[in-house]
Amino acid sequence: GDSVTQMEGPVTLSEEAFLTINCTYTATGYPSLFWYVQYPGEGLQLLLKATKADDKGSNKGFEATYRKETTSFHLEKGSVQVSDSAVYFCALSDRQGAQKLVFGQGTRLTINP
Amino acid sequence: ETGVTQSPTHLIKTRGQQVTLRCSSQSGHNTVSWYQQALGQGPQFIFQYYREEENGRGNFPPRFSGLQFPNYSSELNVNALELDDSALYLCASSPDRISSYNEQFFGPGTRLTVL
Repeated sequence: GDSVTQMEGPVTLSEEAFLTINCTYTATGYPSLFWYVQYPGEGLQLLLKATKADDKGSNKGFEATYRKETTSFHLEKGSVQVSDSAVYFCALSDRQGAQKLVFGQGTRLTINP
Repeated sequence: ETGVTQSPTHLIKTRGQQVTLRCSSQSGHNTVSWYQQALGQGPQFIFQYYREEENGRGNFPPRFSGLQFPNYSSELNVNALELDDSALYLCASSPDRISSYNEQFFGPGTRLTVL
């Protein structure tokens, strides 16, 4: 079945550092891809999305490009802030049936001032 | 526009008991999905409801059941609670079962602890 694999955390960076969180997926069709963020004690918030190959999703300085050839959707940000500290989840949704979200295991990011 | 709301926020039950969790979908949304998030893990799909009918189910036993009401709010019921059912239960709504990018909007979750 469909699956998502994220780089293992936790990840700790200094403020203004460059961030990459790797995400690869396995899917039988042509899924939509998402990054969700979860702040402490809260539910999930959609950070960005891409619906087809070569699409780039972006929001709040974060970017990810849908790479069909490498089945990847890596999250990047050029200069992180303390407020970016959270857990980040990569997810896919196929376009068939229930169109459920399949999540990776999450990557905890801590940014130190 | 009101977002997705869930109740209660926290719940403590004992093994063998039954529990009902509630979710109000975002205005205009007719599809509700439920997810279980164990500590330190990504959410796992339980099931989805579209216009009051179950529209898909994940790998969860039948003691996990649900309902969707005419106003598109939803309930998740779990019978014969087990210790492993302790988790954050997330509800998500979306504007349509069929959409070009399947965006789902999540509520804050209900933290269930089974003792």
